[in-house]
Amino acid sequence: DVKVTQSSRYLVKRTGEKVFLECVQDMDHENMFWYRQDPGLGLRLIYFSYDVKMKEKGDIPEGYSVSREKKERFSLILESASTNQTSMYLCASSLYDGSLSGANVLTFGAGSRLTVL
Amino acid sequence: AQSVTQLDSQVPVFEEAPVELRCNYSSSVSVYLFWYVQYPNQGLQLLLKYLSGSTLVKGINGFEAEFNKSQTSFHLRKPSVHISDTAEYFCAVTDRGAQKLVFGQGTRLTINP
Repeated sequence: DVKVTQSSRYLVKRTGEKVFLECVQDMDHENMFWYRQDPGLGLRLIYFSYDVKMKEKGDIPEGYSVSREKKERFSLILESASTNQTSMYLCASSLYDGSLSGANVLTFGAGSRLTVL
Repeated sequence: AQSVTQLDSQVPVFEEAPVELRCNYSSSVSVYLFWYVQYPNQGLQLLLKYLSGSTLVKGINGFEAEFNKSQTSFHLRKPSVHISDTAEYFCAVTDRGAQKLVFGQGTRLTINP
């Protein structure tokens, strides 16, 4: 019954490495999101996508990029990982219903905990 | 820009006691409001949402929340908590018509036996 799958639960990378976090959803949702979760800061939006090949910056896009080549897959890329990117990364998806889209519930993956040494 | 403040970072309560988790948002423009819960080592799942209509919203696991437009608040309540309610709770808001959800800082609810 898994609907949003994040490929890695735990990753350990070194400073300067290129990191790919993969997310796949099987609900045919148009919207997909990447959030970063840090203690005391809640969830902060990194990027979101409302269609294939479309993306918009969230609140903290610096140091990240994204790719959405297929509707079901949304990848987060850290071009050169740094220690301040050690965090929990959450992927989510939702339906797009025009002006009602904000009412649609986000379905989250289980998260990917990244440690950068 | 929309913002959300959860007034308590941690709330310890005894089992079977009532609990209230507080949430305030910044704008009085038409909004949708949500509470999500994150159990240990899991992703977030929806607890309840307010879209329109009755200001008292009931959710899963006996939780409810009340939308107060004049105070821009959406506090979460449960009359009697269980050990299984131990989790982190996130309040979130989006402007109507917007795609992006803005989350609060989270409140960690700890239930003591």
